[in-house]
Amino acid sequence: GAVVSQHPSRVICKSGTSVKIECRSLDFQATTMFWYRQFPKQSLMLMATSNEGSKATYEQGVEKDKFLINHASLTLSTLTVTSAHPEDSSFYICSASKGGGLYNEQFFGPGTRLTVL
Amino acid sequence: KQEVTQIPAALSVPEGENLVLNCSFTDSAIYNLQWFRQDPGKGLTSLLLIQSSQREQTSGRLNASLDKSSGRSTLYIAASQPGDSATYLCAVKDGGATNKLIFGTGTLLAVQP
Repeated sequence: GAVVSQHPSRVICKSGTSVKIECRSLDFQATTMFWYRQFPKQSLMLMATSNEGSKATYEQGVEKDKFLINHASLTLSTLTVTSAHPEDSSFYICSASKGGGLYNEQFFGPGTRLTVL
Repeated sequence: KQEVTQIPAALSVPEGENLVLNCSFTDSAIYNLQWFRQDPGKGLTSLLLIQSSQREQTSGRLNASLDKSSGRSTLYIAASQPGDSATYLCAVKDGGATNKLIFGTGTLLAVQP
């Protein structure tokens, strides 16, 4: 199989704190990982693409200093929401791809619900 | 810029009916198209992936077709069940040098028992 996990599944934090979300590929090596956010009743919007060992590529309008992404190994990527505010409350989903080929499928994690009070 | 649209936005059918969900995309230069299911508050479950060279894929009661030239895909669900109730998303892997998936707006399906 191709299993992707996320931790935590749910987090509630106070405004101004930083929150780290982990994304792991459990049974394969993920050359590329992706981070999405989803607002209620809306579709997924790609935030950034990360390749192992290199800097993430952010989509237009996504603040890289606000959403720090680290892809330190072939099985782990982390998203840190720095100085979180209520407008950052959202559902964050990661995905992982086994290779860099354009035909490679992305496998999705179960998502992390972030609520900023 | 690639845009993906799904019609209808919401659909309610009685149990046992066959149904079709529609997905359209504006740029036909895609590598593949994927259909997902999302239950409330959950992540995505991949249902079917169609490569750009393929016309359709089948899995159990599900059949997905792809007409790349017209920018359309359909997801056919046979003999619907209440357990099929969920949001269905289609996504295209955009052409070019990126690995991006562009998601549609989703169809919220309710199958009434």
